[in-house]
Amino acid sequence: GAGVSQSPRYKVAKRGQDVALRCDPISGHVSLFWYQQALGQGPEFLTYFQNEAQLDKSGLPSDRFFAERPEGSVSTLKIQRTQQEDSAVYLCASSPDGEWADTQYFGPGTRLTVL
Amino acid sequence: AQKITQTQPGMFVQEKEAVTLDCTYDTSDQSYGLFWYKQPSSGEMIFLIYQGSYDEQNATEGRYSLNFQKARKSANLVISASQLGDSAMYFCAMREEGRTSYDKVIFGPGTSLSVIP
Repeated sequence: GAGVSQSPRYKVAKRGQDVALRCDPISGHVSLFWYQQALGQGPEFLTYFQNEAQLDKSGLPSDRFFAERPEGSVSTLKIQRTQQEDSAVYLCASSPDGEWADTQYFGPGTRLTVL
Repeated sequence: AQKITQTQPGMFVQEKEAVTLDCTYDTSDQSYGLFWYKQPSSGEMIFLIYQGSYDEQNATEGRYSLNFQKARKSANLVISASQLGDSAMYFCAMREEGRTSYDKVIFGPGTSLSVIP
């Protein structure tokens, strides 16, 4: 079946531009996670949705970062007024239910480069 | 403080040999989960293996096994019979189950594994 998909795969933005990154989780998955992965580092948690509810946004680095999942399926991560330190790979992951699972299913990521 | 430590930034292994990737973790929770993920150059994170803190047996999945030493807070990944396709970044990760009821997972910095023909 279809896995987690993300678009665009690559995004180049000029500093100060707004960007929107999309995640399509596996159909029916309740939990959705966003991670930020800087070059040469492990992924870092940004935010968590259970259906349409954003239950944890403790990892969002600033108020320029905003995520939504209005209908409990597709999610969008928006970064306003991008800065060079926002350059990273943004990974989306989903899991079937709202509790602990043995694994999360990851998408291929969006590589954001801010010039 | 680092919750997950992977002390080997890069490792080399000869094809068909076994290799151990080190991972130590820090938690005060009694209930936690440990994961290993593989990330090839394509970028997608691929789940390999999971170990619960109360699991008495070491987890195994095909060529992957997790050497879980709870008292030492160690969760090393052993890959047997290495293949060229095993060349990738490997991440150790932990879920602290006393803190959230969902999968808030902390990743380590990763180890780059290169398999030599």
